[in-house]
Amino acid sequence: AQSVAQPEDQVNVAEGNPLTVKCTYSVSGNPYLFWYVQYPNRGLQFLLKYITGDNLVKGSYGFEAEFNKSQTSFHLKKPSALVSDSALYFCAVRDPIKAAGNKLTFGGGTRVLVKP
Amino acid sequence: DVKVTQSSRYLVKRTGEKVFLECVQDMDHENMFWYRQDPGLGLRLIYFSYDVKMKEKGDIPEGYSVSREKKERFSLILESASTNQTSMYLCASRLRLAGNEQFFGPGTRLTVL
Repeated sequence: AQSVAQPEDQVNVAEGNPLTVKCTYSVSGNPYLFWYVQYPNRGLQFLLKYITGDNLVKGSYGFEAEFNKSQTSFHLKKPSALVSDSALYFCAVRDPIKAAGNKLTFGGGTRVLVKP
Repeated sequence: DVKVTQSSRYLVKRTGEKVFLECVQDMDHENMFWYRQDPGLGLRLIYFSYDVKMKEKGDIPEGYSVSREKKERFSLILESASTNQTSMYLCASRLRLAGNEQFFGPGTRLTVL
């Protein structure tokens, strides 16, 4: 079965500092990996995805993520955090071979707080 | 832009009531999904639909049913609402092609008293 772990419930960072949100996964095959962000009282917004190819993926709002197959990780990063990046972040994985119905499995979410 | 709308942002119901949550997408997506979101648990899949009139159980289907009579509309039904179904409900849709991301609606916060 596929699974996702986000080991940190909350990440605090000062504005202008680098931001990292951690994600590790478990699938039986090669994964499809996604990051979503949820602002207060809003639905989830897609940030970026890894399907194949270059391990470094760039997405919306200056975010990027690095796929590391040996460590089964897909950490989200931003070189310089903004106060407006404060939100709830979700990592998700799909096993393209075994996951029926294009089913995504989500991590528990990490709350990011960027302080001025 | 893809737009996924949900019929209500906030809903308060009583135990035992039958509850309908509606979701509509405007981009001709084949796949649609219903999740519930609870703190610390992330999103958990309730039901999904490959296409019109097709549905599959997700991870937590108990106490729920769904209906997809038209491609753009996916309804979640709580047959007899219970307090443990108080949650945020999120609908999503996607194109069927492999690797395509899901697009989410704004969510319905349901409280069952």
